[in-house]
Amino acid sequence: DTGVSQNPRHKITKRGQNVTFRCDPISEHNRLYWYRQTLGQGPEFLTYFQNEAQLEKSRLLSDRFSAERPKGSFSTLEIQRTEQGDSAMYLCASTPDTSPRLSFGSGTRLTVV
Amino acid sequence: EDQVTQSPEALRLQEGESSSLNCSYTVSGLRGLFWYRQDPGKGPEFLFTLYSAGEEKEKERLKATLTKKESFLHITAPKPEDSATYLCAVAQFSGSARQLTFGSGTQLTVLP
Repeated sequence: DTGVSQNPRHKITKRGQNVTFRCDPISEHNRLYWYRQTLGQGPEFLTYFQNEAQLEKSRLLSDRFSAERPKGSFSTLEIQRTEQGDSAMYLCASTPDTSPRLSFGSGTRLTVV
Repeated sequence: EDQVTQSPEALRLQEGESSSLNCSYTVSGLRGLFWYRQDPGKGPEFLFTLYSAGEEKEKERLKATLTKKESFLHITAPKPEDSATYLCAVAQFSGSARQLTFGSGTQLTVLP
């Protein structure tokens, strides 16, 4: 069990650019979640996959955001035309079918300048 | 809508000074209440899950308790390494996503 891995750890981008983050969940976990966390706040749910199927998306996930999980393994989160309000920590978490307990990665810190 | 409120927002303790953090929640059909610890620049790390009122869990200097409306995280004789943000979250029975709803956290600082 190597834990949930996220890359990159930090990303600085100019407003209007596109960015993509990657998450590798724990290998036997078939549920994968993306959360966003801003300073002084708890994580907020963005979207959720069961295997390769994206089953739910939060209202926070605007049309500029897209997430994929091809083959039910790693996942990517893409933000198009970034805005300063997108600056946050993007957290990925995974869990097996039988438990709501999430195992989190270390996150990707996005700064939009 | 589910709500999770944590208090205080920040807490400074002297080493050895015991205290409690509060998490109050309003949710229909509680599936579980979770406590996580988060260090700066890192993802949350799981501490406890509580499922029913009256349940208690302990780990080293931490003890979590649950009632029908709130949970407490008691810290006994804390050490500087206990400094972190403590997050509480609830999972509910209904809903397909089974995602957790988090509070804003309590930032704990333990001074030597």
